[in-house]
Amino acid sequence: DAGVIQSPRHEVTEMGQEVTLRCKPISGHNSLFWYRQTMMRGLELLIYFNNNVPIDDSGMPEDRFSAKMPNASFSTLKIQPSEPRDSAVYFCASSLVAREQYFGPGTRLTVT
Amino acid sequence: AQKVTQAQTEISVVEKEDVTLDCVYETRDTTYYLFWYKQPPSGELVFLIRRNSFDEQNEISGRYSWNFQKSTSSFNFTITASQVVDSAVYFCALSALGGSNYKLTFGKGTLLTVNP
Repeated sequence: DAGVIQSPRHEVTEMGQEVTLRCKPISGHNSLFWYRQTMMRGLELLIYFNNNVPIDDSGMPEDRFSAKMPNASFSTLKIQPSEPRDSAVYFCASSLVAREQYFGPGTRLTVT
Repeated sequence: AQKVTQAQTEISVVEKEDVTLDCVYETRDTTYYLFWYKQPPSGELVFLIRRNSFDEQNEISGRYSWNFQKSTSSFNFTITASQVVDSAVYFCALSALGGSNYKLTFGKGTLLTVNP
C-alpha cells in the first residue's frame, strides 16, 4: 500500500519566492495534518483537515502561510513570500479520524 | 490543555542494554489515545503503537514493550537488548477522543543513541 506521498522532497528557494508543498494522503483516510519540524521548536502542528475541511489552523504562523485541500486525495501548503526563518522540514500526515497518524517522508525547505 | 513531557532529552547506551524512555502526560479528557513514534536519522516519522485510555494492559512487541499507568499518567517505552538500529528520536504523543479536534500533542522527543 502506498503511504503518504509528499513532493518535492527538497526545495531550495530564495527569500521572497512562493513555495508550494504537496501531499497525497493514504487512500481512505479522512484527516490530514501539516507539521513543521525545526531544531529550535520541535514538531509543530500547522493545520489539520477533516473530510477536506480545515478544523484547526491555529498553528499557522502568519498570513504568509496558507493550506488547501480541494479533494480527499490532495493538499497543498503554500508560503508566499518565503523567508529564511521558514526553513524547516515540513511533514504531511494522514489518518482515520482520531486514529494514529501516518507521516510522509517530509519536504526539506531551505530559504536563502 | 494537553501536555506531554519527555524529561530525558538524550540517552546513550551500549548495545544489548535495556533502556526505558519515559513519558508523562497531562489531560483533562477522560478518554484519550497515547502514541509512540520513532524518527530514525533518515528523518521519517514511524508509528509504533497506539493505546487508548480504557486499556491499561501492557503491550509487548518483540523487543519493545510499553507500560501504561493511568494512576501516574505515564506511558513508558522499554527496548530490551537494544541494537544500533534502535538509534533514533522517540516521540510520545497524546490526543483526545472526545469532541471534534483530534490533533496530536507531541513531547519534545528523546534522542536514543545505541553504541556498538
